Amino acid sequence: LAKTTQPISMDSYEGQEVNITCSHNNIATNDYITWYQQFPSQGPRFIIQGYKTKVTNEVASLFIPADRKSSTLSLPRVSLSDTAVYYCLVAWSSGNTPLVFGKGTRLSVIA
Amino acid sequence: DAGVTQSPTHLIKTRGQHVTLRCSPISGHKSVSWYQQVLGQGPQFIFQYYEKEERGRGNFPDRFSARQFPNYSSELNVNALLLGDSALYLCASSLTPTDVNQPQHFGDGTRLSIL
Repeated sequence: LAKTTQPISMDSYEGQEVNITCSHNNIATNDYITWYQQFPSQGPRFIIQGYKTKVTNEVASLFIPADRKSSTLSLPRVSLSDTAVYYCLVAWSSGNTPLVFGKGTRLSVIA
Repeated sequence: DAGVTQSPTHLIKTRGQHVTLRCSPISGHKSVSWYQQVLGQGPQFIFQYYEKEERGRGNFPDRFSARQFPNYSSELNVNALLLGDSALYLCASSLTPTDVNQPQHFGDGTRLSIL
């Protein structure tokens, strides 16, 4: 299973765009990149998934370069409610198990 | 539709006791997985069940066991509890184990504290 590396923590002010980069040098050809968000005392919540180039939904954008060895989760105009831990995972299917979580990135949004 | 529901939300046990945690998947989901999350770490995979069969098991001792019922709900059992079993236990469901475009949906977990 591919290992991911992401910053332990990040700080941002409200209204700014936040970019969280994840490294996955050993990603397999069939792997997808998936991001989850977790608030304290809650289960992880699926944010976005992609395979290559760019994916955008109502919550975030995911940028994946051609070599797929890294990816960047972009959160536009963050608010205080975006303060959470963000996990980057790779798996051949987001529905596949096991999902392998690292320690994630703790994002703190400051007013 | 209701999301993944877990019960109880909180539980306090003492060392050596046994515990049963319960999970109801999203309606129509046939795959259920269990994860353990200790404070400050990401969730760690314990078990996956699909169509009542065990499909995967993480690196956990035999004190941990699980099963899935005909209605696709699931139980996680832990025997001979240790202090190190204190954690948030998460249940996740998905339509099938192999559907690329259907992510796993997590419940909010059971907080287990061992005294």
